[in-house]
Amino acid sequence: DAGVIQSPRHEVTEMGQEVTLRCKPISGHNSLFWYRQTMMRGLELLIYFNNNVPIDDSGMPEDRFSAKMPNASFSTLKIQPSEPRDSAVYFCASSGQIGDEQFFGPGTRLTVL
Amino acid sequence: AQRVTQPEKLLSVFKGAPVELKCNYSYSGSPELFWYVQYSRQRLQLLLRHISRESIKGFTADLNKGETSFHLKKPFAQEEDSAMYYCALGGGSNYKLTFGKGTLLTVNP
Repeated sequence: DAGVIQSPRHEVTEMGQEVTLRCKPISGHNSLFWYRQTMMRGLELLIYFNNNVPIDDSGMPEDRFSAKMPNASFSTLKIQPSEPRDSAVYFCASSGQIGDEQFFGPGTRLTVL
Repeated sequence: AQRVTQPEKLLSVFKGAPVELKCNYSYSGSPELFWYVQYSRQRLQLLLRHISRESIKGFTADLNKGETSFHLKKPFAQEEDSAMYYCALGGGSNYKLTFGKGTLLTVNP
């Protein structure tokens, strides 16, 4: 297994543009997590899914952020419209069991100009 | 509510010196504690978890429920240990982990 796959690895966009980040979890894992990492705040959980259903989205900062998981092998995190303060590294992670180890993807480094 | 506190944002030691990265947690149930490590520009990866009681890369961590702590220790730091370290808390029926803000460890030659 290639592990958790994220795309793109780097994204540079202008303020106001829509940004879509993608994640493919490890096959067989039924929990998926989206995190945001910044120097100021560290690693913040944005939302997590279990069996494709959003369980906790309390970490989503604003309505500009939305996440979907249409099937067990794909999830998206969308920011519309994007703002410079959204610049961060966004990680996706998946796990197989409750409270088990989370396996992280390589992250998407987002820069909003 | 779950909370993880890593009081040190930065920690700098010399090669060969002992190192301790502090982690305290707040949780009313039975905790599951983890340490994750992120080397420069790499993905986060699990370093160790308390239930396995393993020593990974010379690091150990003991869960102290009385002090609600899970400090990470290594007797002799190496330059390759320089990284960001995150303490994480899970447990019960909760699917998610709560991460601390991380400690950036620098091991100087």
